[in-house]
Amino acid sequence: GAVVSQHPSRVICKSGTSVKIECRSLDFQATTMFWYRQFPKQSLMLMATSNEGSKATYEQGVEKDKFLINHASLTLSTLTVTSAHPEDSSFYICSARGTSGNEQFFGPGTRLTVL
Amino acid sequence: GQQLNQSPQSMFIQEGEDVSMNCTSSSIFNTWLWYKQDPGEGPVLLIALYKAGELTSNGRLTAQFGITRKDSFLNISASIPSDVGIYFCAGQNTGNQFYFGTGTSLTVIP
Repeated sequence: GAVVSQHPSRVICKSGTSVKIECRSLDFQATTMFWYRQFPKQSLMLMATSNEGSKATYEQGVEKDKFLINHASLTLSTLTVTSAHPEDSSFYICSARGTSGNEQFFGPGTRLTVL
Repeated sequence: GQQLNQSPQSMFIQEGEDVSMNCTSSSIFNTWLWYKQDPGEGPVLLIALYKAGELTSNGRLTAQFGITRKDSFLNISASIPSDVGIYFCAGQNTGNQFYFGTGTSLTVIP
């Protein structure tokens, strides 16, 4: 149980384009999903928290107009990186928290490379 | 966002040795979690702690929720090569915000 998937696992895009990353909880309902960013050999940095049916809460320094988050259902959240630049290249990881307990279950991550 | 202080930053140990790492925070947390991350993958939950003073085991892993609610440790006994990876602590505060430690990179030498 508690499986979270992410799609795509890797994406390469040109500078200026937008990229959408999906995060799905496969066997449980996730009232809250989290989006993290991780640079090589560093820890995970929380970007935003999204609750189903409401606007995401962004961490300080994260541009909400650049990183669009949608959590339209209890099993799906999407992160869209708009007008991507090379400095947006990173490992993006989502996690989901169910309706009971405080554990977060992580997806396998998406490696974004912006050329 | 806030980060938790995790130490040591890296460890190189012989197979069979025990490992200990800890995590500290300047603020109180209600939940402490320990994760392991392999390269190119998402973190996998190892142990979850919900109460101050709680000591929980999962196989060769043991973790404790500090009595002050500002720290936690993880022990791995009799390390094996597959224990290699990066271990992260994570804490959830009273505002339901969730933060990660800086990570401990573990290398086990056969």
